[in-house]
Amino acid sequence: QKEVEQNSGPLSVPEGAIASLNCTYSDRGSQSFFWYRQYSGKSPELIMFIYSNGDKEDGRFTAQLNKASQYVSLLIRDSQPSDSATYLCAVNGDTDKLIFGTGTRLQVFP
Amino acid sequence: DTGVSQNPRHKITKRGQNVTFRCDPISEHNRLYWYRQTLGQGPEFLTYFQNEAQLEKSRLLSDRFSAERPKGSFSTLEIQRTEQGDSAMYLCASSPRITGTSGTGELFFGEGSRLTVL
Repeated sequence: QKEVEQNSGPLSVPEGAIASLNCTYSDRGSQSFFWYRQYSGKSPELIMFIYSNGDKEDGRFTAQLNKASQYVSLLIRDSQPSDSATYLCAVNGDTDKLIFGTGTRLQVFP
Repeated sequence: DTGVSQNPRHKITKRGQNVTFRCDPISEHNRLYWYRQTLGQGPEFLTYFQNEAQLEKSRLLSDRFSAERPKGSFSTLEIQRTEQGDSAMYLCASSPRITGTSGTGELFFGEGSRLTVL
């Protein structure tokens, strides 16, 4: 079983819609959760991190964490074509390293 | 530029040759990580340092791979006797000391070094 699981997509949403990206993780001891965006041929860039159960909002992005269900999600409101990228979920492992999922490819069409 | 710097950005080599990549982290970050990424996959952890100490190395990592961070600043990743399966993007990231909140601090990635083994 993979430690961090994401649907590879592609997830296609129209411009202006809400994109919902999901991630599950296996290690109940995980404490830190991150969302990275990666454009094709580029390196990952941090969008958000969340440590506590509940929601965390930053502009058009909202991260949601449910530790009981071992589930993390990222909502992107008012999706734009420039949001088209691969979104990587990352979770801290049993030591101080991040374990990444395979990423979900998001396509926002005009 | 105060971000993470990696070089070379691209390296093409023949099977069996040795290659070395360099990473210069953000200056105030004491943690440095190496990851490998292949097409369609997420970054795969290789190893990490806190200052000059190598704290963890992936069990999946062949002994052909070695990393150093001699003075706690820049780091090098060397691959000996390269194989075609080593072709990937090698990503370096740095992270500040963990303070306040629990868990791992966020990672800041460099642009990566793409290796092609012919």
